[in-house]
Amino acid sequence: QVHLVQSGVEVKEPGASVKVSCKASGYTFKTYDIHWVRQAPGQSLEWMGWINGATGGTNHSHKFQGRVTFTRDTSATTAYMELSRLKSEDTAVYHCARSGGLDVWGQGTTVTVSS
Amino acid sequence: DVVMTQSPLSLPVTLGQPASISCRSSQSLVYRDGDTYLNWFQQRPGQTPRRLIYKVSKRDSGVPDRFSGSGSGTDFTLKISRVEAEDFGVYYCMQGTHWPYTFGQGTKLEIK
Repeated sequence: QVHLVQSGVEVKEPGASVKVSCKASGYTFKTYDIHWVRQAPGQSLEWMGWINGATGGTNHSHKFQGRVTFTRDTSATTAYMELSRLKSEDTAVYHCARSGGLDVWGQGTTVTVSS
Repeated sequence: DVVMTQSPLSLPVTLGQPASISCRSSQSLVYRDGDTYLNWFQQRPGQTPRRLIYKVSKRDSGVPDRFSGSGSGTDFTLKISRVEAEDFGVYYCMQGTHWPYTFGQGTKLEIK
C-alpha cells in the first residue's frame, strides 16, 4: 500500500526557515513526482511546486520565488520542502502528495510562524 | 494563473438527496496531449484531502459510484446522486493543465 509520512509539527519565528520531510513507501520512488500543497487555516489549497523523483528537477509557483527549495534522497525514498524567510502568512498545514494528480497525500505538517 | 471558480460555496443537502457542484476555469483545461486535467477532492473535517475524480470523470479506486464528474473545456460538475452522512465536508476542484496548478475556493456540503 502506498504511504507518504511527513515530519512533525514545527513552530518557527518570523525570518527563520523550516524543512519538512515526506517519506514514501509502497511504490517505486523514482517513478513519480512529489508535489507540495499548503492550506492556511480556514482557507483553500495552494500549490507550491514539485520535484521529479528520478531526476531531481523541480518547479515551483512564482509566489514562492526564491524562498522554497525542493530536494529528495532517493536512497531514503524521502522528499523535502524547505521554506525560508518565514512570515506569519506562511502559517499553514503543508502536505506532500504523489504525482501531478495528487492521488496519495501525506498526513500534513503543521507549521506555525509566530514571534 | 488560471482561476477556478466553484459554486455554490455552501450547499445544504438532505440525506438521500442529490447534490451538484459547479467548477469553472478562466481558461480551457484541455492540454496539448488532448486530456483535460481536472480533478475533484473531498476533505472531511480535520482530515487530509482525498482525490475522488481525475481527468474530469474517472473515479478513483474505492470511490462510491454515487460520485460522478462531467464537463469539458472550462465548465465542470461534480454530482452526488444520493448524499450519505459520510459525504459531508468540503469539495475542491483543481486544474493540473496549466502551471501553476490551482484549486477552487471549496464548496462546503452541509446537512440541511
